[in-house]
Parts: sequence; C-alpha cells; structure tokens
Amino acid sequence: GENVEQHPSTLSVQEGDSAVIKCTYSDSASNYFPWYKQELGKGPQLIIDIRSNVGEKKDQRIAVTLNKTAKHFSLHITETQPEDSAVYFCAARASGTYKYIFGTGTRLKVLA
Amino acid sequence: NAGVTQTPKFQVLKTGQSMTLQCAQDMNHNSMYWYRQDPGMGLRLIYYSASEGTTDKGEVPNGYNVSRLNKREFSLRLESAAPSQTSVYFCASSAETGLTEAFFGQGTRLTVV
Repeated sequence: GENVEQHPSTLSVQEGDSAVIKCTYSDSASNYFPWYKQELGKGPQLIIDIRSNVGEKKDQRIAVTLNKTAKHFSLHITETQPEDSAVYFCAARASGTYKYIFGTGTRLKVLA
Repeated sequence: NAGVTQTPKFQVLKTGQSMTLQCAQDMNHNSMYWYRQDPGMGLRLIYYSASEGTTDKGEVPNGYNVSRLNKREFSLRLESAAPSQTSVYFCASSAETGLTEAFFGQGTRLTVV
C-alpha cells in the first residue's frame, strides 16, 4: 500500500543553523506534498506545500524540494529560531484519491 | 472563524464503554477524515468521507464506526473501548476538488483504562 517514510525522527540544531527533514513516498501517482507543523497540544497546521509540477518552493525561511524521479521530498528551514521547535509531518496525496498519507513525524528542537 | 471543531478535548473511558467523538467544520468542505496519533507512528487514517453520504475505511478502522451526519459533521464512535484505543484523535477536512491542504481540529485525547 501507500507509504511515506520520514527521517530523522528527532533533530536538534543550534539557533541560527539550518534544519533538513527528508521524506520518501511509495505511490508514484502522488502529486501533492504538504508539510505540517504541530505544536504541543495542538492540531497539525500546514506550513508549506508543493505540487508535482514544481521542483522547489520557498516561503521566507522555509523551502521544500521535490525529486519525482527518486520519490523524495525535503523540508529546509534556514536561520532556525526557538519557535521553530515542534513536530513536523510530511504527507503525500494522489489526485483522484481523498487520502493523505503521513510520515511518522520529526521532533525538531532548536537550542538557544 | 472556527475551522474544524472537535469535542470533547479530553476523555477517560473504562474498557468496554462506548462513546462518540464529534467533529464539525464550517468551511463547506466535502471531504472529512478521522486520524489517530500515537507516539512514533505519525497520523494514521481511521475512516474518511469523500463527500456527504459516503464513508470509507482507512488504514486502521477496526473497533470504530463513523457517521457523516451532514456536510458539516462527521462523528467517530467507539462501541466497546479497549486500552489499545488510547490515543489522540484528530478530525480533518479538505476541499474535494483540486489538491489542497487538510485542515485539522485541535484533537481529542482519549484514555481507556
């Protein structure tokens, strides 16, 4: 069945450094890849997404890259700040389906 | 601008008890979902409803039932709760057409003792 693998499960970085989280998906029909941030006690919230017709997308300090051939996509956070500390989830969805398949999450800690 | 609202926020059940988790969205979305979140396992889909009047099983449907009451509301029922159903449950909704994000509720933390 469809599967999304996410690495690493935990990541600690110094404030100001960059953080990279990587995901691999199995369903070649997947063409929408959102990234969610979940703060303690809250539901996941979208921070950035990318569609399969685009290789890279940026929004201020956050960027996502997609390699459809390798079925990889990655989240890049630059100049990390303490408020970036949270759990991040990647997901994949194929058009024509209604299901979002999530990765297992990455707990990011930004050390001041 | 409420988005997706779940009730209750917390619940403790005894093994064998039943309960219904409620979810409502005010974004006129056609599709709604129930996920459970367990440590190290991410978000796993229990059931989803592509549109009003339809429901389908997700990855982990055993022990649960759902009802799409109308376009706004999608409830999750545990008929006979088990300790393995201790989890955080999230409801979500998304627009049917196009590839767009899912919006999540705040979650229900359920403990079965």
